[in-house]
Amino acid sequence: KNEVEQSPQNLTAQEGEFITINCSYSVGISALHWLQQHPGGGIVSLFMLSSGKKKHGRLIATINIQEKHSSLHITASHPRDSAVYICAVTKSSGSARQLTFGSGTQLTVLP
Amino acid sequence: DSGVTQTPKHLITATGQRVTLRCSPRSGDLSVYWYQQSLDQGLQFLIQYYNGEERAKGNILERFSAQQFPDLHSELNLSSLELGDSALYFCASSPATYGYTFGSGTRLTVV
Repeated sequence: KNEVEQSPQNLTAQEGEFITINCSYSVGISALHWLQQHPGGGIVSLFMLSSGKKKHGRLIATINIQEKHSSLHITASHPRDSAVYICAVTKSSGSARQLTFGSGTQLTVLP
Repeated sequence: DSGVTQTPKHLITATGQRVTLRCSPRSGDLSVYWYQQSLDQGLQFLIQYYNGEERAKGNILERFSAQQFPDLHSELNLSSLELGDSALYFCASSPATYGYTFGSGTRLTVV
């Protein structure tokens, strides 16, 4: 079983819809990251969370440490939000801070 | 521009050859991470350097090696290349806190 699981794998939405992508993890973590990867391949870090909630524009990320679960919400979705969204964690064990990744969610927003 | 520079952007080479991928971290970041993204394995951690020293190793093959130089740039050397080594190779840098900045990646195609 993967240490970081994401759902759904694929998501198609109409422009303007509210979108939720979920991430569950099974290891102790010091931080959880949401990343965005566009078709060109580049990866952008959207959020880093260790507790609570963060908001940036139309993006909201939440984390529940007790339930080992995080969600990424996109309000008023737009075709330019189409990308792969990747959940990743920094494990709390050891001193290294490398990322362990989920398999990603391919989001397509239709106009 | 994320501040992390990776060169080259694309590389096509034959099986059995050796290539070097280069990464210049964001100014002031001491940590450099190398990740591999393949179609079948997703994103995987390869190796981390911190201020010139190897800090952590992940799923890095013995045919692969890396180093970080005094100016903090890093190189990933891939030798005896196989078709299965075709992938996107990302470098990311991080300051003392937990944030990450990714480079745009090097797309390696082994033919």
